[in-house]
Amino acid sequence: DGGITQSPKYLFRKEGQNVTLSCEQNLNHDAMYWYRQDPGQGLRLIYYSQIVNDFQKGDIAEGYSVSREKKESFPLTVTSAQKNPTAFYLCASSTPRGGLNTEAFFGQGTRLTVV
Amino acid sequence: GESVGLHLPTLSVQEGDNSIINCAYSNSASDYFIWYKQESGKGPQFIIDIRSNMDKRQGQRVTVLLNKTVKHLSLQIAATQPGDSAVYFCAEKSSGSARQLTFGSGTQLTVLP
Repeated sequence: DGGITQSPKYLFRKEGQNVTLSCEQNLNHDAMYWYRQDPGQGLRLIYYSQIVNDFQKGDIAEGYSVSREKKESFPLTVTSAQKNPTAFYLCASSTPRGGLNTEAFFGQGTRLTVV
Repeated sequence: GESVGLHLPTLSVQEGDNSIINCAYSNSASDYFIWYKQESGKGPQFIIDIRSNMDKRQGQRVTVLLNKTVKHLSLQIAATQPGDSAVYFCAEKSSGSARQLTFGSGTQLTVLP
C-alpha cells in the first residue's frame, strides 16, 4: 500500500539529547514537509523540501534540522537547542513539485515527550 | 504574514443534524483550499478541496463553499454521524508559493447521541 510512514509513534527524550524522527513515503512524491502540532492548535511548518538534496526553513525551524538524501525519506532531528520539544510531529508529502495545487498526505504522527 | 483562522473552536451537534464549520482567511492570493479531518492521535485526513475558480464543491455528505469576496470558507456535513466527531482544519495555499499549506487552529466537532 502506498503511504507515509512515521516512526516511532511515541518517543521520549531526555533533556539535552538529540532525537531523530523518521518519515518515509512510497508515493513517489517530490515534496515533503514537517509540521509541529501543540494541543488545541493548528499545524506549524518546521521544514519543507521540494526536491532531493534541497530543503527550506518553515516558520519554526530553530532547534530542528533535516536532510533529504533520498526522495523517499525526510528525517527530522530535534536538537537540544529546541527548548520546548514536547509536541505531536506530523510529516506530509505532496506532488507535483512547486506551485501546482494538490493536497498533502499525512503520516500518523510521532508524539515526542521530554522526560 | 498570512493567517487562516476558524470562527468557532468547538461545535456540538445532534446526530443526524447538519454541521457547518466556518473558516476565514486573510491572504487574497490564496487560490486553493482544503478541509482536513483529524481524529485524536492521528494525522489529518483529506476531506475535500476547492480551487478559487469555484464557489461550491460537493462530495459524499460534505459540501465546501467558498466566498472570495469576504475570504470565507465553510464545510457542511450532512446528517452528521458519531464517526464525524473530530477536529476539522481548513488550510490554504497560493499557487505562487513554494510552501505547503497554511493551517487554521481547528474546530472540534462533537456529535451528540
